[in-house]
Amino acid sequence: GQQVMQIPQYQHVQEGEDFTTYCNSSTTLSNIQWYKQRPGGHPVFLIQLVKSGEVKKQKRLTFQFGEAKKNSSLHITATQTTDVGTYFCAGPNTNAGKSTFGDGTTLTVKP
Amino acid sequence: DAGVIQSPRHEVTEMGQEVTLRCKPISGHDYLFWYRQTMMRGLELLIYFNNNVPIDDSGMPEDRFSAKMPNASFSTLKIQPSEPRDSAVYFCASSRGSYYEQYFGPGTRLTVT
Repeated sequence: GQQVMQIPQYQHVQEGEDFTTYCNSSTTLSNIQWYKQRPGGHPVFLIQLVKSGEVKKQKRLTFQFGEAKKNSSLHITATQTTDVGTYFCAGPNTNAGKSTFGDGTTLTVKP
Repeated sequence: DAGVIQSPRHEVTEMGQEVTLRCKPISGHDYLFWYRQTMMRGLELLIYFNNNVPIDDSGMPEDRFSAKMPNASFSTLKIQPSEPRDSAVYFCASSRGSYYEQYFGPGTRLTVT
């Protein structure tokens, strides 16, 4: 079945450093979604990418969808302590109505 | 809209007891998902419904788990009998279509002693 893998699993950065997490799917995706889960919270939808090679920005966050629509990345510029949490990517399974979530990348930021 | 509503927020029960978790999806959303999250296993999809009909329950751990969606605004996840290894945070999520984003509820933190 479809697999969605994320790397790294954990990332510790100093405040102000950049951060990137990568998402790779075993199959071509119709779209890719990104979620953020704060410690003790629930996953919250951030953004959806649909087009091959698409790049979207949300303030310091940059999301990219690969040309082959099998990979994606989330880049945070100049991390802040408010960025801590676990970032998940999710891709819909074209054979079913569900999405497959990656295992997430947990980001900690040292002030 | 109030978002996805889950109850209770916390549940502590003894092994062998029946546990019922409740979820009210966002009005107008056709899909409802139940997830379980633990440190060891991450975020696992247990079951999902489309228009109140269970579509895929392959993630349900065993027969002790059951889920129902009697109408478009209510779903339950039941564990009977509960075991300590069922301790986890259970999330309900809804979406307006299979390719659309999911909105998660705040979760129910279940502790089985």
